[in-house]
Amino acid sequence: GNSVTQMEGPVTLSEEAFLTINCTYTATGYPSLFWYVQYPGEGLQLLLKATKADDKGSNKGFEATYRKETTSFHLEKGSVQVSDSAVYFCALNNAGNMLTFGGGTRLMVKP
Amino acid sequence: EPEVTQTPSHQVTQMGQEVILRCVPISNHLYFYWYRQILGQKVEFLVSFYNNEISEKSEIFDDQFSVERPDGSNFTLKIRSTKLEDSAMYFCASSDFGGRAVEQYFGPGTRLTVT
Repeated sequence: GNSVTQMEGPVTLSEEAFLTINCTYTATGYPSLFWYVQYPGEGLQLLLKATKADDKGSNKGFEATYRKETTSFHLEKGSVQVSDSAVYFCALNNAGNMLTFGGGTRLMVKP
Repeated sequence: EPEVTQTPSHQVTQMGQEVILRCVPISNHLYFYWYRQILGQKVEFLVSFYNNEISEKSEIFDDQFSVERPDGSNFTLKIRSTKLEDSAMYFCASSDFGGRAVEQYFGPGTRLTVT
């Protein structure tokens, strides 16, 4: 079956630090991969996505590259801000309409 | 910007009672979903709904659950006889198209507490 594994949090960083949140997946075929972000009190929002191998998704300074050879989709940002503090979810959709999520990683950025 | 809304934000109910969680998807969207997140666990897919019928459902979505689009704007999840283990955050989502590459837009969730 499909599954997503992401690093456990919380991840605590100082402002302007480099961020990596690891995500690996198990799936047959060619899933689409997503990063969703949840700010306090809000729903999950799509941050970025990639639909085929070697695609790079990017948004708001965040990037992730679909690596089929390592079944990974790690999230990176060169310089985090306090406003990036949130919970980040890696997810895949292998067919149809069902998203399969990782466990979520809480990011805390300190001034 | 259009958004998915959910009511109530928090629902407390006694075991064995029926609950209805309500969602208003984005107005021109055609696909609707429910997910849940038990505290400390992953977000899990429950069901997808298109053209007035269920298109996919997970093993979690048993006979205790049902979904309905009673009018042109609302999308509801009913739990017939709640159990303690139904306590979770329930998220509604919608999308304009179906398929594996489509963005699903999520509501803020309803926290259900079963006592």
